[in-house]
Amino acid sequence: DGGITQSPKYLFRKEGQNVTLSCEQNLNHDAMYWYRQDPGQGLRLIYYSQIVNDFQKGDIAEGYSVSREKKESFPLTVTSAQKNPTAFYLCASSKWGGQGNQPQHFGDGTRLSIL
Amino acid sequence: RKEVEQDPGPFNVPEGATVAFNCTYSNSASQSFFWYRQDCRKEPKLLMSVYSSGNEDGRFTAQLNRASQYISLLIRDSKLSDSATYLCVVNPIKAAGNKLTFGGGTRVLVKP
Repeated sequence: DGGITQSPKYLFRKEGQNVTLSCEQNLNHDAMYWYRQDPGQGLRLIYYSQIVNDFQKGDIAEGYSVSREKKESFPLTVTSAQKNPTAFYLCASSKWGGQGNQPQHFGDGTRLSIL
Repeated sequence: RKEVEQDPGPFNVPEGATVAFNCTYSNSASQSFFWYRQDCRKEPKLLMSVYSSGNEDGRFTAQLNRASQYISLLIRDSKLSDSATYLCVVNPIKAAGNKLTFGGGTRVLVKP
């Protein structure tokens, strides 16, 4: 089945620790995205990548880092600099449409909490 | 003003009734519009794209009003399974490629 796989489903972070969230897609999509969702809030864009070895900051990139070494994979690291990391993290992918008319498809998310 | 605004609800709807709600967007140059559905503690799922001429998918009808800068979603013959949060999604700037802006969502509760 084609889709987007995020792991782990639940993650706990200790003070001062970096943690990495995995996102893999087999949809052959060029573009991948990371969002953060806080309870009762909308999605906010952290980082996105249009193509391998290239990525751009979104609206709330501080305290996060990403890499895009393979088309299928776009891991997100939540660093110790992110002081309020507790949230629902969603990875998405899409075809990269220059017209901006491509919907995004989501993985089932990772819930990150502070210990 | 937020780029994409939605009434958070909840809209309490009797089963079988019709419900409609809007979403306003601030950038008149916005090109693409979508409705997503998000169930509690789950990922958003694409419900439908919104086309200029309006479009229908079963019991769901989406409309775009460019002059007033809003899109709407209408659900007919509501089912209990329609209970969810509906996210309005806009591509605000053509030049930004496929970056999307999400509204905060409208919660719909369908009751027996």
